[in-house]
Amino acid sequence: AQSVTQLDSQVPVFEEAPVELRCNYSSSVSVYLFWYVQYPNQGLQLLLKYLSGSTLVKGINGFEAEFNKSQTSFHLRKPSVHISDTAEYFCAVSNTGGFKTIFGAGTRLFVKA
Amino acid sequence: IAGITQAPTSQILAAGRRMTLRCTQDMRHNAMYWYRQDLGLGLRLIHYSNTAGTTGKGEVPDGYSVSRANTDDFPLTLASAVPSQTSVYFCASGEHSTDTQYFGPGTRLTVL
Repeated sequence: AQSVTQLDSQVPVFEEAPVELRCNYSSSVSVYLFWYVQYPNQGLQLLLKYLSGSTLVKGINGFEAEFNKSQTSFHLRKPSVHISDTAEYFCAVSNTGGFKTIFGAGTRLFVKA
Repeated sequence: IAGITQAPTSQILAAGRRMTLRCTQDMRHNAMYWYRQDLGLGLRLIHYSNTAGTTGKGEVPDGYSVSRANTDDFPLTLASAVPSQTSVYFCASGEHSTDTQYFGPGTRLTVL
């Protein structure tokens, strides 16, 4: 069975500071990994995904994530955050072609001026 | 292109009533999903459909049913609503090749 753990429920950070949102997963098979973002009162939208190839994945809005197979992690990073990045971020994992995606509980990023 | 639409946006419902949440996509995706989102629990899969005419149970299917008569529509029905079904419900459609999902704006349901 697969599972996803987002290690921080809330991350407060000042504007223009770097941020890392942590995600660990467990799976006995090959996986696809995702980060989704949810702005207030909206649905989720894809931020970035890892399917195969380069372990460093770049997404929208200046975010990037690195797949680390040995540590079963897929942490999300941004070198300089903006107020507009305030949102909830979800890490997700699926077994390749399995049609079921498991989502983490979410990390609320709060960017302060 | 609208992507995925959900209706209603929000609803207050008396316990014991029947309710159908509507979901329509225009991306011709084969896969569709229903999730519920509860504080601290993330998204939990209720039901899914890999293609028109087939459905499957997710993590929390009890009290819910779905149908998939065609590619575009995937309604979720609560036969007899209970207060524990108070939640925000998201419909999504997806690409089989990459498991990427596209979400609707959600329906906020309150069962009293």
